Amino acid sequence: DAGVTQSPTHLIKTRGQQVTLRCSPKSGHDTVSWYQQALGQGPQFIFQYYEEEERQRGNFPDRFSGHQFPNYSSELNVNALLLGDSALYLCASSWTQGLYEQYFGPGTRLTVT
Amino acid sequence: QKEVEQNSGPLSVPEGAIASLNCTYSDRGSQSFFWYRQYSGKSPELIMFIYSNGDKEDGRFTAQLNKASQYVSLLIRDSQPSDSATYLCAVNGFRNTGNQFYFGTGTSLTVIP
Repeated sequence: DAGVTQSPTHLIKTRGQQVTLRCSPKSGHDTVSWYQQALGQGPQFIFQYYEEEERQRGNFPDRFSGHQFPNYSSELNVNALLLGDSALYLCASSWTQGLYEQYFGPGTRLTVT
Repeated sequence: QKEVEQNSGPLSVPEGAIASLNCTYSDRGSQSFFWYRQYSGKSPELIMFIYSNGDKEDGRFTAQLNKASQYVSLLIRDSQPSDSATYLCAVNGFRNTGNQFYFGTGTSLTVIP
């Protein structure tokens, strides 16, 4: 049973550039949530996708956008990167009809220079 | 006031002892409660979840929930050096936000051999 996968593992970008991160959910899961985790902090909710639509959004600017595909995989896009966007980006998947346990992928470490 | 609060620690216990980790949350409407373990540089791993008042045991781990006091705890019996990690408390169901999780900043646990 494949768990949540994310790519790439690490990424270095320059301020002002754009980045796309990818996530494939755990088998049987239909909902994908994205989180940003800064060093020494807990994960902060960015947004959640279900049935190819953004269902909920946290307190992040619209530079952060996403997409969900028919196979439930998802992308997170960040435009006009700032130094403060450097963080671990986590994807978590869950099953809407279940009890909402979320399982995390290994994360993408983004460094903005 | 933070929505989920944890003592950041660090908490140190000797090998074989019981480690007690605590978490409080602000919204009485919260429905589901989760404990994640996060090793340095890795993504969070779900170790326990609880939905009803009382205790839930799984191996060496016991989660305790008291909704009246808005308090969740995690007990780790017979602590092992491999338990050394940051433990994140997560809560969902705030204000009808469904599947959105709110995380605490985590408690760092060190088990001393």
